[in-house]
Amino acid sequence: AQSVTQLDSQVPVFEEAPVELRCNYSSSVSVYLFWYVQYPNQGLQLLLKYLSGSTLVKGINGFEAEFNKSQTSFHLRKPSVHISDTAEYFCAVTLFSGGYNKLIFGAGTRLAVHP
Amino acid sequence: DAGVTQSPTHLIKTRGQQVTLRCSPISGHKSVSWYQQVLGQGPQFIFQYYEKEERGRGNFPDRFSARQFPNYSSELNVNALLLGDSALYLCASSLGQGAGTDTQYFGPGTRLTVL
Repeated sequence: AQSVTQLDSQVPVFEEAPVELRCNYSSSVSVYLFWYVQYPNQGLQLLLKYLSGSTLVKGINGFEAEFNKSQTSFHLRKPSVHISDTAEYFCAVTLFSGGYNKLIFGAGTRLAVHP
Repeated sequence: DAGVTQSPTHLIKTRGQQVTLRCSPISGHKSVSWYQQVLGQGPQFIFQYYEKEERGRGNFPDRFSARQFPNYSSELNVNALLLGDSALYLCASSLGQGAGTDTQYFGPGTRLTVL
């Protein structure tokens, strides 16, 4: 069965510092991975996705993630964060079964950027 | 292009009542999925519809039902509301290619409070 573990529930960081949000997955089939961001009182916005090809994926707002099959990880990184990056970040994996796909989400990581 | 839209934004109901939430997908998308996000947790899959047919259902009681219309918009109905139904209900649309690579784009959500 597919599952997603986000290793940190909260990550505090100072503005302009680098950040890494960690995500591990378990899956017995082909893996499609996503990172979504949720700003306060809003829905989910797609940051980036890994479907195939290059293991380094670039997304919006300067974020990137690296797919590591041997370590079953898909960590999200940004070299220099801004106050506006303060939000909840969700890692998700697609479960495709019975002719449809659904997203399995991690519990989320709250990124708090301090001045 | 307009993204996924949901209505209403907020809703307050009392236990035992019934509620209907609405979703309009991105133009050209034929599949709609519904997720429930309880405070402090990641979203949980409820339903997926494609071409007016239910493709998949998550582990939710029969009090939850949905339908999709010819214009691909969708409604989620919840009967006999319980306090535990209080959550953010998210709608996601996708092309509906029936593959694991089908990317889901989320709306802003409807915040349901059950008193």
